[in-house]
Amino acid sequence: EDQVTQSPEALRLQEGESSSLNCSYTVSGLRGLFWYRQDPGKGPEFVFTLYSAGEEKEKERLKATLTKKESFLHITAPKPEDSATYLCAVQAESNYKLTFGKGTLLTVNP
Amino acid sequence: NAGVMQNPRHLVRRRGQEARLRCSPMKGHSHVYWYRQLPEEGLKFMVYLQKENIIDESGMPKERFSAEFPKEGPSILRIQQVVRGDSAAYFCASSLIGGRESKNYGYTFGSGTRLTVV
Repeated sequence: EDQVTQSPEALRLQEGESSSLNCSYTVSGLRGLFWYRQDPGKGPEFVFTLYSAGEEKEKERLKATLTKKESFLHITAPKPEDSATYLCAVQAESNYKLTFGKGTLLTVNP
Repeated sequence: NAGVMQNPRHLVRRRGQEARLRCSPMKGHSHVYWYRQLPEEGLKFMVYLQKENIIDESGMPKERFSAEFPKEGPSILRIQQVVRGDSAAYFCASSLIGGRESKNYGYTFGSGTRLTVV
């Protein structure tokens, strides 16, 4: 069964303090690894998809990397508006569904 | 260019009543997926539908839950005889291409329906 574990559960940073979120996964044949951002009371908002080990994606202050066992979401010089829950999900080659982790609640204080 | 539209945003039902949740996918998307988010839990897949077809309902409870995506109109997730344990946020997502296509470019989620059973 596909599994996704995210750590830490919660992370509190000062504005400008860079850090990383971890997503460890097991899946029988990875089709894609997804990062989503979820604000309170909202649906998940797509951030990145990574398809193969070694791949990296970057957008503004966020950079995602992928190995065969885990993905990191690096946040450089975060701002308060980056505060949200970040969700990681994997999709196996053999099916349609996304398997999500429980998320990391990121709080960036001004 | 509207995104995935879900309604209602909030729904309160008494135990034993029926709940109907609606989802209109993004324009041009013909693949719809329903997920449930329980408190302190991650999002869990429930069902995958295309127009007039249920493709995969392996995540759906066997009793009381059903889903449809008719030729015309929104997708409907129906929960009969609701119980307190059904209280959760229900999210619908849509995609342009199917989940088994190579290079799935991601699913667009709606804002969800928060169901409270009292």
